Amino acid sequence: KNEVEQSPQNLTAQEGEFITINCSYSVGISALHWLQQHPGGGIVSLFMLSSGKKKHGRLIATINIQEKHSSLHITASHPRDSAVYICAVRLSEDMRFGAGTRLTVKP
Amino acid sequence: GAGVSQSPRYKVAKRGQDVALRCDPISGHVSLFWYQQALGQGPEFLTYFQNEAQLDKSGLPSDRFFAERPEGSVSTLKIQRTQQEDSAVYLCAVLRGLNTEAFFGQGTRLTVV
Repeated sequence: KNEVEQSPQNLTAQEGEFITINCSYSVGISALHWLQQHPGGGIVSLFMLSSGKKKHGRLIATINIQEKHSSLHITASHPRDSAVYICAVRLSEDMRFGAGTRLTVKP
Repeated sequence: GAGVSQSPRYKVAKRGQDVALRCDPISGHVSLFWYQQALGQGPEFLTYFQNEAQLDKSGLPSDRFFAERPEGSVSTLKIQRTQQEDSAVYLCAVLRGLNTEAFFGQGTRLTVV
């Protein structure tokens, strides 16, 4: 079993929809990253969380340490949000990744 | 991304050829990770350095894979006698320390033909 599980694997939405991507992990962590990867591009860290909730523009990330679960929400989705979103957990100095969620937002 | 540069961006190798992939972080990044990302998959851990010390190489898929970071800065991932299954994007990530932001390189896309 992978230490980091993401769902869904693929997600197609219409422009303007509210989107949620989930991440569950099975190990103790010091922090969790939500990452964005565009086709052919590198990875950008959107959020680093160790508790609670963070917001940046239309993106919101939450984490529940007790339940070992995090969510990434996108409000008013736009086609430019189309990318792969990856959850990565920090294990002290180490990092482990989920398989990613491929999001496609249609105009 | 800001903080780390990888080269080359693209590499085509003939099966059996040796390749060397480079990760060049800006100074001060203590921890350096190599990941392998197959098409449509999330990154898979290969190996990890803290300064020049390779603390974990449990993810290296075979003894054809070798990584080094001799001066605690630039790292090289070497793959000997490449096979088709080695075709993937190889990502480098760096951290300054505990609970600090992570920075990722653009990756090297290796295609073995």
